[in-house]
Amino acid sequence: GAVVSQHPSRVICKSGTSVKIECRSLDFQATTMFWYRQFPKKSLMLMATSNEGSKATYEQGVEKDKFLINHASLTLSTLTVTSAHPEDSSFYICSARVGSETQYFGPGTRLLVL
Amino acid sequence: AQSVTQPDIHITVSEGASLELRCNYSYGATPYLFWYVQSPGQGLQLLLKYFSGDTLVQGIKGFEAEFKRSQSSFNLRKPSVHWSDAAEYFCAVGAAGNTGKLIFGQGTTLQVKP
Repeated sequence: GAVVSQHPSRVICKSGTSVKIECRSLDFQATTMFWYRQFPKKSLMLMATSNEGSKATYEQGVEKDKFLINHASLTLSTLTVTSAHPEDSSFYICSARVGSETQYFGPGTRLLVL
Repeated sequence: AQSVTQPDIHITVSEGASLELRCNYSYGATPYLFWYVQSPGQGLQLLLKYFSGDTLVQGIKGFEAEFKRSQSSFNLRKPSVHWSDAAEYFCAVGAAGNTGKLIFGQGTTLQVKP
């Protein structure tokens, strides 16, 4: 149980285009999902908290207009990187909250912006 | 402020040897503590968690961790390491306020020698 999937697993796009990443909880409902960014050999940086049916809460320094988050259902949250630039290239990981504190993570999405 | 410190950035052990990864936290109340493992290019997998009760927690893959309040530590142990245990290990503490957020340590890279 508690399986989280992400799609796509990797994506290459041109600078200036937008990319959408999906995060799904496969066998449970998640009212809260989280989006992280991870740089090479670094820890995870929380970008935002995604709550079903409401606006996402962004961490300080994260541009909400650049990283659009939609949590339209209890099993799906999406992260759209708008007008992507090479500096947005990174490993993006989502997680879903189960119970009060435990998070289960997706396998991650590798984004490369050319 | 809450924080998690993993003092060892990189550890190398021989296959079959015992392992201990250190984790120290800073938190005012009883913390929710987690250990996650990340293989290269993958998401995070939950190894074990501590919320309350018995301070020695058993996890998956033969791992265990001990919560020591007096030392503000939650060290991860395994009696005999396998080559497949080579990965990145993250300790995390649940943030205050029932937000579900996690605060991660910097991670420890485990290398296993044959």
